[in-house]
Amino acid sequence: SQKIEQNSEALNIQEGKTATLTCNYTNYSPAYLQWYRQDPGRGPVFLLLIRENEKEKRKERLKVTFDTTLKQSLFHITASQPADSATYLCALDAGNNRKLIWGLGTSLAVNP
Amino acid sequence: GAGVSQSPRYKVAKRGQDVALRCDPISGHVSLFWYQQALGQGPEFLTYFQNEAQLDKSGLPSDRFFAERPEGSVSTLKIQRTQQEDSAVYLCASSFQGGGTEAFFGQGTRLTVV
Repeated sequence: SQKIEQNSEALNIQEGKTATLTCNYTNYSPAYLQWYRQDPGRGPVFLLLIRENEKEKRKERLKVTFDTTLKQSLFHITASQPADSATYLCALDAGNNRKLIWGLGTSLAVNP
Repeated sequence: GAGVSQSPRYKVAKRGQDVALRCDPISGHVSLFWYQQALGQGPEFLTYFQNEAQLDKSGLPSDRFFAERPEGSVSTLKIQRTQQEDSAVYLCASSFQGGGTEAFFGQGTRLTVV
């Protein structure tokens, strides 16, 4: 069956360090992958989209990589700040260019 | 409006009651999605509209769930004869096009069935 896995444990890092979150998938060939941030009691907020023909994408302190051979995406936050503390979700297109399939999310805590 | 608006923010329903959840997408957005999110889980797809056409309803868990978007803007998700397992946050998202573009989410409606 189709499956998406993200870091199962919460990630705690020190302010200023780089946070790296992992998204692995099986039985998929997604045309694109998206990363979202979700704060408690709020809906997800879009961060980055990377397409299957792109290896890497950057936006300010954020970087996403996409390895279609390994079936893995890595999400990096450099120079992390306490305000980056949230749950980060990866989502793949389900192949019909309509719905997204989501991971469970990884909780990130950046300690001052 | 400035963003996707959902109402009510919170809804408590007695088991067996019918509920209606409303979503006002961003003006001009063609695509509208409904997702269900249980505590500690990622969103689960329910249904998708392109304008007024419901193109995918494969995620609706039972025939008690019904969604509509009659004029291609506001959408309503209706749940009939609510059950306790329906308790979750219901998220609405809209996007300018279909997949492959950024989706904008509302804050969700937290439904609790007692």
